Amino acid sequence: SQKIEQNSEALNIQEGKTATLTCNYTNYSPAYLQWYRQDPGRGPVFLLLIRENEKEKRKERLKVTFDTTLKQSLFHITASQPADSATYLCALALQTGANNLFFGTGTRLTVIP
Amino acid sequence: DAGVTQSPTHLIKTRGQHVTLRCSPISGHKSVSWYQQVLGQGPQFIFQYYEKEERGRGNFPDRFSARQFPNYSSELNVNALLLGDSALYLCASSSGPGSSREQYFGPGTRLTVT
Repeated sequence: SQKIEQNSEALNIQEGKTATLTCNYTNYSPAYLQWYRQDPGRGPVFLLLIRENEKEKRKERLKVTFDTTLKQSLFHITASQPADSATYLCALALQTGANNLFFGTGTRLTVIP
Repeated sequence: DAGVTQSPTHLIKTRGQHVTLRCSPISGHKSVSWYQQVLGQGPQFIFQYYEKEERGRGNFPDRFSARQFPNYSSELNVNALLLGDSALYLCASSSGPGSSREQYFGPGTRLTVT
């Protein structure tokens, strides 16, 4: 069956450290992988998109990697801040078929001051 | 510039009733998608509309329907509500129908079915 798993429901890290979130998928052939941030009671906010033929993408303190052999994406936040505390969702877009996104269940990140 | 707007913000309905949720996309965006997000889960795709035509449908029963208007706003209708329909309903707009485009989500409508 198809699955998108994000490493843990919750992750606590100390301010200033690097947070690493994992997204693993099975039985999907994604063309693109996107990461979103969601705060409580709000809709997801787009952060980064990476294509299947790209290994790494960066934006300010954010970095995403995409390994189609391992079927895994890693999302890094460097120099983390308490304001980075939120739920982070990975989402897959397929090569064929509908144009929708398939979301993981999310990882709730808490950055401790 | 206004982002994606949704109405109402919250809604409480009784089992068996019908509900209509509304969404206005970002100006210039012609694609609208609807997602259902149950507490503790990621959003699950319901429908996508582009240029007033249905472009995708998720694994939801026929009680769920949607449409897109000439001004690209959209409605999601749910008939014969069940307790399990309680969720946050999210609308997302994008500039085109392709999956390579980032989705801009609205704040959602919190539906509670009692």
